[in-house]
Amino acid sequence: EAGVTQFPSHSVIEKGQTVTLRCDPISGHDNLYWYRRVMGKEIKFLLHFVKESKQDESGMPNNRFLAERTGGTYSTLKVQPAELEDSGVYFCASSHLPGEGHTFGSGTRLTVV
Amino acid sequence: QQQVKQSPQSLIVQKGGISIINCAYENTAFDYFPWYQQFPGKGPALLIAIRPDVSEKKEGRFTISFNKSAKQFSLHIMDSQPGDSATYFCAASMTNQGGKLIFGQGTELSVKP
Repeated sequence: EAGVTQFPSHSVIEKGQTVTLRCDPISGHDNLYWYRRVMGKEIKFLLHFVKESKQDESGMPNNRFLAERTGGTYSTLKVQPAELEDSGVYFCASSHLPGEGHTFGSGTRLTVV
Repeated sequence: QQQVKQSPQSLIVQKGGISIINCAYENTAFDYFPWYQQFPGKGPALLIAIRPDVSEKKEGRFTISFNKSAKQFSLHIMDSQPGDSATYFCAASMTNQGGKLIFGQGTELSVKP
């Protein structure tokens, strides 16, 4: 089966611009998660979708971040407007059930200059 | 209470030696404890996982030891190989809270030939 795909792999944008990250989970995985790793620190949870519904968005840093999951398939994470502290690697992961291991994508490295 | 603390931050082991990475948690409601392996430019990949009703799980050269009373778990890599050089993350999650992963800080393992 195809893995979790993230696009783009790298993005460099200026402060104040908008960036949209995309994630295609494994087909049939209802659970989709977004995580972020900033400056070599631990990987932190951002939010969790079950199908098209946001189950938990307690990790979203602020209202500049907007996540959607169209029709319960792929997901997008938009940052608008981007700030310097948003730089990091954004990972998407999916799982069939919530209590099992996630399959991660390769991540999107976002650099805000 | 949601933290997972991981040590050491970095580890150098000779080829053929045993690599040991330790994690500690506070929240006794965690019910799933996975270890992830990450190579540069890739996303974390599930290596091995354990649930709290088991004290040890072994898969090939990788073993998780779990001490419920001490709220600690560790990863042992036997006969460490240069190809094992990577960053290792422990994590914990609660199935009834959607399975979001709480990660440790990560350990950079280097296995010298």
